[in-house]
Amino acid sequence: QSVLTQPPSVSGAPGQRVTISCTGSSSNIGAGYDVHWYQQLPGTAPKLLIYGNSNRPSGVPDRFSGSKSGTSASLAITGLQAEDEADYYCQSYDSSLSGSGVVFGGGTKLTVL
Amino acid sequence: QVQLQESGPGLVKPSQTLSLTCTVSGGSISSGGYYWSWIRQHPGKGLEWIGYIYYSGSTYYNPSLKSRVTISVDTSKNQFSLKLSSVTAADTAVYYCARVNVNYGSGSSPVDYWGQGTLVTVSS
Repeated sequence: QSVLTQPPSVSGAPGQRVTISCTGSSSNIGAGYDVHWYQQLPGTAPKLLIYGNSNRPSGVPDRFSGSKSGTSASLAITGLQAEDEADYYCQSYDSSLSGSGVVFGGGTKLTVL
Repeated sequence: QVQLQESGPGLVKPSQTLSLTCTVSGGSISSGGYYWSWIRQHPGKGLEWIGYIYYSGSTYYNPSLKSRVTISVDTSKNQFSLKLSSVTAADTAVYYCARVNVNYGSGSSPVDYWGQGTLVTVSS
């Protein structure tokens, strides 16, 4: 059971827009900790897609965008392309009484129809 | 361009200690602003943070693994290492070494460079 909750799967047709949610709590996203997003293509290491809630590293297309509100964050992908089919993970920091540290969402598999 | 490369045995027997090393190239571990991290991914599952270390030797571990994990750094070799003791089949996973960039993010820092990952299987 991941500390951050993501939908197991989402899908969309080429050209469409999809969003992936990441729901946390008052000890992580709601506490003000930034959210980061990663894309993991099959058989490869994850790649940083969005950092600091909404910033794109150099080289990441502007079709990818991130936002954060309250205890949740979202990743939006517009103009969906076949090459976007991958697993997506959100990440933040958690400072609960049971211990603190880096936390990931369970991941969302994006299927391009 | 920073590159990270994991090395170590791909097969470990139950109850033994898993040991991996990460060699960093294209940048110095001793440069501030980064934590050097280990993250694992069970087959077909999500990502799990194991812990990280600063070049000074300060360490931070996942509370659920803390009793079994030791992360160390060798700045002279530009390497950092992971030891996970008393392993079971549940520790079978792809292990990634990675760089956490504390220059980004507020209280929560992103992983900006990853190694390719190495599969470690725990089996007799």
